[in-house]
Amino acid sequence: AQRVTQPEKLLSVFKGAPVELKCNYSYSGSPELFWYVQYSRQRLQLLLRHISRESIKGFTADLNKGETSFHLKKPFAQEEDSAMYYCALRGGRRALTFGSGTRLQVQP
Amino acid sequence: DAGVIQSPRHEVTEMGQEVTLRCKPISGHDYLFWYRQTMMRGLELLIYFNNNVPIDDSGMPEDRFSAKMPNASFSTLKIQPSEPRDSAVYFCASSSWGKGPFGLNTEAFFGQGTRLTVV
Repeated sequence: AQRVTQPEKLLSVFKGAPVELKCNYSYSGSPELFWYVQYSRQRLQLLLRHISRESIKGFTADLNKGETSFHLKKPFAQEEDSAMYYCALRGGRRALTFGSGTRLQVQP
Repeated sequence: DAGVIQSPRHEVTEMGQEVTLRCKPISGHDYLFWYRQTMMRGLELLIYFNNNVPIDDSGMPEDRFSAKMPNASFSTLKIQPSEPRDSAVYFCASSSWGKGPFGLNTEAFFGQGTRLTVV
């Protein structure tokens, strides 16, 4: 079975503060991990995937297999980062399994 | 390509009525997924298809829900009869299992969703 846990429903920070959105997973094999973002009234879109090891909009995420985590980080939050963030896993089946999501609120 | 297209964008219906949600995937994609989004449970996979064939429908909540994919460019999700607890945003997504960047399979592209309200 595969499972994704995002423990925080809401994370509120001030502009310029560091951000860390937590994601833990359970899967017995080697998963693909993703972060998707949903801005207000927009469709869900891919933010980044662990295998590409890229930084998108200042966000990074490192896969820690020992801790089975894939936390999303940004050193300085911007107001335009306010959105719903979903961590997702693709394991043995083709479909993504999503966490319950974390709403990031960046206050001015 | 306009991306994944869902219709209608909003649907309000009375309890007991039949509801049909529609999805047009991105041309060339061979996987299609239906998800449901609620505040309480986040995004849940309902069913997915590969080459128009249902592969996993274990997420379909009950027999009131059914999904079809008659061809590569169209899928429907039907709820009959609808109930207030079915109120949610329903997303359709598609992807291709070919090789994209980094030699990996491509990402899932989502439609804008259908907001269903059952009163």
